[in-house]
Amino acid sequence: NAGVTQTPKFRVLKTGQSMTLLCAQDMNHEYMYWYRQDPGMGLRLIHYSVGEGTTAKGEVPDGYNVSRLKKQNFLLGLESAAPSQTSVYFCASSRDIHYGYTFGSGTRLTVV
Amino acid sequence: AQKITQTQPGMFVQEKEAVTLDCTYDTSDPSYGLFWYKQPSSGEMIFLIYQGSYDQQNATEGRYSLNFQKARKSANLVISASQLGDSAMYFCAMREGGTGANNLFFGTGTRLTVIP
Repeated sequence: NAGVTQTPKFRVLKTGQSMTLLCAQDMNHEYMYWYRQDPGMGLRLIHYSVGEGTTAKGEVPDGYNVSRLKKQNFLLGLESAAPSQTSVYFCASSRDIHYGYTFGSGTRLTVV
Repeated sequence: AQKITQTQPGMFVQEKEAVTLDCTYDTSDPSYGLFWYKQPSSGEMIFLIYQGSYDQQNATEGRYSLNFQKARKSANLVISASQLGDSAMYFCAMREGGTGANNLFFGTGTRLTVIP
């Protein structure tokens, strides 16, 4: 099925470890986003991209980096994981500014 | 200031009854879009309904309708004839037209529980 695929679905990291979350979409969408969801706080934007080769900071970018080398992929990196980064991470894509998002199924990350 | 405010952390509704989930928004942009998403316990985000700021009529999608009151800056979701499967978290979100990036700002959500 067409859509947004996130890998992995679950991950446990030790403090200080690094990892990359992968997001792939096959809908040829220009816009891609990374959000984190924490209890009682809704979804908050980490980073986003308006096209291949472009990235920009969202509301809560500290401690994360992203790359969009190919249009279909948007990578979220944690260089040195901290317990405060324990969260559920959602990737989303959008065709253009007049459309809503298609979300991935989420990645549950625990940092111990 | 919060761009999206959902003041109801939790709501209960009897099966087959209608329920309204509140959402107010804050923007000075004349062009914006309002969205509602459903998040069941399985965790995925499901798009429900969209209302554009210039749309003259309230949006409807099956049992979902959006009560759009522009002057009051409210975009309440109405679910008619509630079903047990409607039990979930519901998020209101807004896109501002001038951003150029289509970023969505989300509220903190309302947990709806449908009682048999």
